[in-house]
Amino acid sequence: DTAVSQTPKYLVTQMGNDKSIKCEQNLGHDTMYWYKQDSKKFLKIMFSYNNKELIINETVPNRFSPKSPDKAHLNLHINSLELGDSAVYFCASSQDGHGVNEQFFGPGTRLTVL
Amino acid sequence: SQKIEQNSEALNIQEGKTATLTCNYTNYSPAYLQWYRQDPGRGPVFLLLIRENEKEKRKERLKVTFDTTLKQSLFHITASQPADSATYLCALSGGPNFGNEKLTFGTGTRLTIIP
Repeated sequence: DTAVSQTPKYLVTQMGNDKSIKCEQNLGHDTMYWYKQDSKKFLKIMFSYNNKELIINETVPNRFSPKSPDKAHLNLHINSLELGDSAVYFCASSQDGHGVNEQFFGPGTRLTVL
Repeated sequence: SQKIEQNSEALNIQEGKTATLTCNYTNYSPAYLQWYRQDPGRGPVFLLLIRENEKEKRKERLKVTFDTTLKQSLFHITASQPADSATYLCALSGGPNFGNEKLTFGTGTRLTIIP
């Protein structure tokens, strides 16, 4: 029974396209996150939602738009993809967003922009 | 700006020895420090959390220390095994009382246990 799942696992697309990544958690957590891990393996937070409400929005280009239809789902839509968007994107969840609880990560989505 | 550095990008340790990984931070007063393990092609997995008022935390062969004066955490794996080979990430957060609720990750150390 997968705790945090993401689809797709791999995404290869052309520059300028629009794509979405989906995330679901079945842990009953209130908070969900999107992270980007670049080629140097540095993991950086992009967004955080608590009970469908945006609570963290790092300096991410507005081509990236997260959407949380309910607290178990957090999707990431990316418009006008650029070469620099190539990375692994991880979804995560935690009981709350206070930084005191462990985070559970999904398997990642490797995005390659050609 | 806040900076979190982990001692070395890669560390090779002989099987059976203790592996010690370091996490140093600057311009930060974290209330909580977490350690995660990441295997190739997978998401990070939580290992341990230590609070600012705790000096040490243990879990099986793992031990974490947190020195807020030195602004440093040490992560030890005793009796290391080849299966412990992975990248280890430290992550800091200010906690709910500090208004800094996000988890900020270090650069990671790739640990290899040599049989």
